[in-house]
Amino acid sequence: SQTIHQWPATLVQPVGSPLSLECTVEGTSNPNLYWYRQAAGRGLQLLFYSVGIGQISSEVPQNLSASRPQDRQFILSSKKLLLSDSGFYLCAWSVLRGARSSYNSPLHFGNGTRLTVT
Amino acid sequence: DQQVKQNSPSLSVQEGRISILNCDYTNSMFDYFLWYKKYPAEGPTFLISISSIKDKNEDGRFTVFLNKSAKHLSLHIVPSQPGDSAVYFCAGVSGAGSYQLTFGKGTKLSVIP
Repeated sequence: SQTIHQWPATLVQPVGSPLSLECTVEGTSNPNLYWYRQAAGRGLQLLFYSVGIGQISSEVPQNLSASRPQDRQFILSSKKLLLSDSGFYLCAWSVLRGARSSYNSPLHFGNGTRLTVT
Repeated sequence: DQQVKQNSPSLSVQEGRISILNCDYTNSMFDYFLWYKKYPAEGPTFLISISSIKDKNEDGRFTVFLNKSAKHLSLHIVPSQPGDSAVYFCAGVSGAGSYQLTFGKGTKLSVIP
């Protein structure tokens, strides 16, 4: 069965410090990978998605970047954190392919990282 | 522009009664919709979906209804159980952006024993 691992679970970082959150997926090949953020009082916002190694699409201009160095590894980074980067970060995977998606293959989320920037 | 709206941030229901969670959308390009359930400090888990060509999908205690003309969908939970207490997110998926789900802000459901 497929599993998704995301760490750390919680993180407190000072403003201006760097960030690296890692996500790995097991039990599947060539997954689509996603980073979402849930900020206080807001819904789940798509930050990045990747359809393959080295392929990253950014949905929202921001202080963050993403990389996919391996097929089942997705990394969220920042060189200098801002207070507004605080939130709950979620990694997800899917096997959706092509222009039409099957509603039998929704996103599968990790348990998230609670980031607090102080 | 909020394409998916869940206008009720919270809902309280007695155990055994029906819970109805509502969701409105503005993007006519959504071709299916998903409901996710989220417990605190955990990632969302997929609950149920509905294609835009259908008006109802049922899975056990959970039923989702879609009214395309009104751009409205709802999730019914019958009977509600204390374990259903969680935040429920509605999401729309468009064919043009098949890798993107547009989520609402969520509704926190509290089922009172």
